[in-house]
Amino acid sequence: AQSVTQLGSHVSVSEGALVLLRCNYSSSVPPYLFWYVQYPNQGLQLLLKYTSAATLVKGINGFEAEFKKSETSFHLTKPSAHMSDAAEYFCAVIPSGGYNKLIFGAGTRLAVHP
Amino acid sequence: GAGVSQSPSNKVTEKGKDVELRCDPISGHTALYWYRQRLGQGLEFLIYFQGNSAPDKSGLPSDRFSAERTGESVSTLTIQRTQQEDSAVYLCASSLERVAILNTGELFFGEGSRLTVL
Repeated sequence: AQSVTQLGSHVSVSEGALVLLRCNYSSSVPPYLFWYVQYPNQGLQLLLKYTSAATLVKGINGFEAEFKKSETSFHLTKPSAHMSDAAEYFCAVIPSGGYNKLIFGAGTRLAVHP
Repeated sequence: GAGVSQSPSNKVTEKGKDVELRCDPISGHTALYWYRQRLGQGLEFLIYFQGNSAPDKSGLPSDRFSAERTGESVSTLTIQRTQQEDSAVYLCASSLERVAILNTGELFFGEGSRLTVL
C-alpha cells in the first residue's frame, strides 16, 4: 500500500534559518503528493501539491517542495523561517486507485525560535 | 461561517458510553471525509461520503464505529461502547467532489472534535 514517511516528528530552527521537512513516499507509480499545515487551534489547510507537472512546486507563505523520483522524496523547504511558521506539517499521498482519500504521514511539528 | 464546522470541540466520556460527533461541511461540497488523529500519529482515514454513492467505509476500525450523512449536508460519526483507545481528535473534511482530489488535493478541514475516553 502506498504511504508516506516523515522523518523527524519535531524540528526546531532559529528565525531566519532554512526550514527542511522531510517526506518520502512509497509508490510504484508516480503519485500525487501534498503538504498540509495545521496551525495551533486551526484545521489543516493545503500548503502545496505535486500532480506530475513541474517537479518544483511553490506553495503559500514562501514554502516550496521538490519531487525527486530517484529519491522517492518530496521534501518541504523554506529559505528563511518566520515565527509564524510554527505549526504541524503533514505530507500526504493519494493511493493509486484510491482517488477518494488522502493518506497522511505522522506529521512534523516545527518550532521556530527567536 | 463558511468553513467546516464540527461539534462538540471537546468531549470527555466514560468507557462503554456511546458518543456522537457532528460535522457540517461547506455548503455545496458533495464529498465528506472523517479522519482520526491519535496523539503523536498521522491522520487515519475512517470513512468517505460522495453524494448519493455508497460510502467508502474501508477505514472504520471496528463495528463500533458508524457514520451517516444526510444528503449532501450534515454527517454524524457514532462510536458505540467507547474504549480508551478511541481517544483521539476526530477530523472532518469536505471537498467539492471526489475528482477535486485529483485536480487540487484540497480538502477543507474542520478544527476537529477531541474525544477523551476515561
